[in-house]
This record gives sequence, C-alpha cells and structure tokens, in this order.
Amino acid sequence: DAGVIQSPRHEVTEMGQEVTLRCKPISGHDYLFWYRQTMMRGLELLIYFNNNVPIDDSGMPEDRFSAKMPNASFSTLKIQPSEPRDSAVYFCASSLAGGPTYEQYFGPGTRLTVT
Amino acid sequence: QKEVEQDPGPLSVPEGAIVSLNCTYSNSAFQYFMWYRQYSRKGPELLMYTYSSGNKEDGRFTAQVDKSSKYISLFIRDSQPSDSATYLCAMSGANFGNEKLTFGTGTRLTIIP
Repeated sequence: DAGVIQSPRHEVTEMGQEVTLRCKPISGHDYLFWYRQTMMRGLELLIYFNNNVPIDDSGMPEDRFSAKMPNASFSTLKIQPSEPRDSAVYFCASSLAGGPTYEQYFGPGTRLTVT
Repeated sequence: QKEVEQDPGPLSVPEGAIVSLNCTYSNSAFQYFMWYRQYSRKGPELLMYTYSSGNKEDGRFTAQVDKSSKYISLFIRDSQPSDSATYLCAMSGANFGNEKLTFGTGTRLTIIP
C-alpha cells in the first residue's frame, strides 16, 4: 500500500484566498483524522471521521475551516478565507477501528504558508 | 493546563548514551500510551505503545508508564545518530473504538556522532 497520500505537499497563498488540502487514506481504514502542527502548539487534532461521518470537530478553530469526506477514499480540508496565522503543517492520518495498536498512519503533510 | 505536558527540548546527547524522554498528563481516563517518532519534514510514525501501567521493551527502546504519578517515559539505549528526531507522546482513553489521541508537543532529540 502507498500509505496515506496528501496533496499538495507545499502551498503558498495570499491572505484571503481559499485553500483546499486533500487526503487519500489507506485502503480499508475507517477512521480519518486531520491535524495541524506548529512549533508553538504542537500537533492539534482538528476533526476526525468514522466511516465518512464527522465524529468530533471540536478542534476546528473557526468557521473558516471546513472538512468533508464524500467517500471512503477521499477527504478535503478547506480554509476560506485564509489568514497568516493558519500557516502550519497539516497532516492527515488514518486508522483501522479495533486495531491492536491504536496506530494512526500519518501522511507526509502539507506545508501551508499564508502571506 | 494542557492535558499532556512534554518538555520540547531540544535535547542533545553523544552517540551511545542512554536517552530519557518524559511526559506527564492530567486525565486519569487515559489508558493507552504511545510514543511516536517524527523525522524532519515527515509525518509521525508509531514507535511503541503500552496499555495501562508497566514496562514494555522493544530492542533498544523501553516504554514505562506510572499511572499513579501520571508519568510516562521512553528510554533509548545505545543511542544512534539515526535516532535523531522529534518524539511525541500520545494517549487515549479506555473506550474501545475511541480512536482520538491526545499528543504532547514533542521533544526534539539530536544524537551527536
């Protein structure tokens, strides 16, 4: 398996623009997570899905952030409008319910810079 | 107060030394304890996990959990330059199927050849 796939790997945009981050989880995994990582705050859970249904979005910082999972193999995280403080690395991860290790498999991340 | 506290470092040690990394937590509901390793510009990957209290050993790595003190540790013996990375602790509750993890901020470790 190719692992969790994220695109783009790098995104540079101007304040006010819409940003869409994409994720393809590992085939067969039924949980999908979106995280944001910064030096100051570490790795923060934004939202997670189970079987394509959002379970907990309490980590989504503002209404400017939205996430969708239209099917088991694709998810998006959208920021509209973007702001400089959104600059961070955004990770997508997937896992298998009932797995013996609670292991979450992370993608390589999208490095977002908002100027 | 954060649920999980971790010293961000950075921590630099000479090759071959024993490394000790630690996290404290406040939520007594945590039952699963994990250590993730993150190389520069990569996603985190699971290194070790432990259920409840006790020790677990895997090669040069040993994970310890002391629930009475709400304190977990990761020890690395005979440290190698390839161990240079950021180490994040992570925790989860006992509800089977509750896959939400709470992460520490990570400790950046450098092993000096």
